[in-house]
Amino acid sequence: QQQVKQSPQSLIVQKGGISIINCAYENTAFDYFPWYQQFPGKGPALLIAIRPDVSEKKEGRFTISFNKSAKQFSLHIMDSQPGDSATYFCAAATTNAGKSTFGDGTTLTVKP
Amino acid sequence: DVKVTQSSRYLVKRTGEKVFLECVQDMDHENMFWYRQDPGLGLRLIYFSYDVKMKEKGDIPEGYSVSREKKERFSLILESASTNQTSMYLCASSRTGTDYNEQFFGPGTRLTVL
Repeated sequence: QQQVKQSPQSLIVQKGGISIINCAYENTAFDYFPWYQQFPGKGPALLIAIRPDVSEKKEGRFTISFNKSAKQFSLHIMDSQPGDSATYFCAAATTNAGKSTFGDGTTLTVKP
Repeated sequence: DVKVTQSSRYLVKRTGEKVFLECVQDMDHENMFWYRQDPGLGLRLIYFSYDVKMKEKGDIPEGYSVSREKKERFSLILESASTNQTSMYLCASSRTGTDYNEQFFGPGTRLTVL
């Protein structure tokens, strides 16, 4: 049973556009929702994360929107740039458990 | 600068061989993880460890074992490699505690089993 479902699998956006990646989770015990960014040949790295006590978190061009009642969260990349082209993973974790459950990933391509 | 290193970036082995993948972190993290990454399947957890000599099965432990004899080192062992274990293997570490959930990943080892 997949606990974190991520969509779309791939996304192509023009430079300057908005990229949106969505995730849905099932386990209401999750209390930490990070997004990781992975460039080719590299391991994933934390991009931004949110806890369920807030509905939105913004860091520069990256924003997480969180809907606790719908058990959904999304990553918005404003003014997308070719340098944002990467694979993005959402994840969910229960703090005390230590481990995270990852979505399947979204390959983002930003065209110049 | 925090760092997770993996012993090899690329590895080619033959079916039936015993394979060791090594991971070292220099952040004094309690938790360490092994994932495999396959296209369209995301990051799947193989094993993780909360402490030295402690290990727990992840989602896909079949065909794998692990060893953690020292806090900074976590090894993944393929007892008898098979072609369906051809994949990218990622090691990660994290600190224990409410405010510490970020996982730090190594660069990965791309294993090919012929």
